[in-house]
Amino acid sequence: AQTVTQSQPEMSVQEAETVTLSCTYDTSESDYYLFWYKQPPSRQMILVIRQEAYKQQNATENRFSVNFQKAAKSFSLKISDSQLGDAAMYFCAYRRTGGRDSNYQLIWGAGTKLIIKP
Amino acid sequence: DTEVTQTPKHLVMGMTNKKSLKCEQHMGHRAMYWYKQKAKKPPELMFVYSYEKLSINESVPSRFSPECPNSSLLNLHLHALQPEDSALYLCASSQDPHRVLWEQYFGPGTRLTVT
Repeated sequence: AQTVTQSQPEMSVQEAETVTLSCTYDTSESDYYLFWYKQPPSRQMILVIRQEAYKQQNATENRFSVNFQKAAKSFSLKISDSQLGDAAMYFCAYRRTGGRDSNYQLIWGAGTKLIIKP
Repeated sequence: DTEVTQTPKHLVMGMTNKKSLKCEQHMGHRAMYWYKQKAKKPPELMFVYSYEKLSINESVPSRFSPECPNSSLLNLHLHALQPEDSALYLCASSQDPHRVLWEQYFGPGTRLTVT
């Protein structure tokens, strides 16, 4: 069974600085997708970035980028130039590509609470 | 329009009440989901509808009854709930799940309190 581990329950960073959130996962699959979701206090879960396992290039979305290390099964999120609006719970998630029912399942990490210090 | 809407935002109900949660999307998505989320925990999948048919029921108690009247609407009917059912209920939708790549878009949730 696949598992996703976020080892940092809470992280804090000074505004305008860079922070990296860690995520590791365990799978025997070779093809899959990885996601970072953000859930601010307003509660809405927002997709931040996704990575397809077959792509070697790390995904980037504006100030958000990932360091995807497939062999190490690591998928960290780097947030550059942190802003107050980045304060949220961040969840790492995994999804298989094969099979019909398994397509629907997101395997979630426990989450990391990110605090931005002004 | 990449929006999933949910009503109500907050709901307080007694254990003998019957209430419903509503979710709507107009993105042409063909899969819709209900999740339950406790504080500081990741969401737990409850139900999945694909093309308006129930595809997944994650062994959810029968006091939760989902309904998908059409491809844009998803309801969750609640009856005889327990205090431990108090949680944030999230709805999500996604493109055709039979495609190679799709993403789930979430609504803002309904905060449910059972007294």
